[in-house]
Amino acid sequence: SQKIEQNSEALNIQEGKTATLTCNYTNYSPAYLQWYRQDPGRGPVFLLLIRENEKEKRKERLKVTFDTTLKQSLFHITASQPADSATYLCALASISSGSARQLTFGSGTQLTVLP
Amino acid sequence: NAGVMQNPRHLVRRRGQEARLRCSPMKGHSHVYWYRQLPEEGLKFMVYLQKENIIDESGMPKERFSAEFPKEGPSILRIQQVVRGDSAAYFCASSSGGLSYEQYFGPGTRLTVT
Repeated sequence: SQKIEQNSEALNIQEGKTATLTCNYTNYSPAYLQWYRQDPGRGPVFLLLIRENEKEKRKERLKVTFDTTLKQSLFHITASQPADSATYLCALASISSGSARQLTFGSGTQLTVLP
Repeated sequence: NAGVMQNPRHLVRRRGQEARLRCSPMKGHSHVYWYRQLPEEGLKFMVYLQKENIIDESGMPKERFSAEFPKEGPSILRIQQVVRGDSAAYFCASSSGGLSYEQYFGPGTRLTVT
């Protein structure tokens, strides 16, 4: 069956360090992968999208890698700040879902950046 | 630029009543998606609509749930005869379509069934 797993439910790091979050998937042929941020009581906020033929994408302090051989995406936040504390969600859309717009979300990793 | 708008933000219904959740997509967006987030669970896709068309409803429960996105006005997610298990946060997202796949989410409607 299809599965998306995000590493450890919670991750604590010290301010200024790089946070690395992992998203692994099985039994998918993803067309693209997205990362979102969700704060308590709010809707997810789009961060980055990476397509199956892209290896890496960057946006300011954020970097995403996508390895379709390993079936894994890594999400990095460099020079982390307490304001980066949130739950980060990985989401996949696959060709097999028909419209290729149906997103399947991982359960999220709760990141806490300690001052 | 207004983002995705959802109302109401909080909705309380008694078992057996109907719940209507509204979503106005971002300006210029013609694709709407509904997701449900149950307590302590992840976001689950429900339905994908374009104006006047349901494109993908593979995540919708077979009974009691329906969605529409009329030519004019917001998208509506309707839940008939609500049960306690329907209590959840319902999120709407929109996208512009074409080669743009990123989805922009609204603040959600928190439905509580008593």
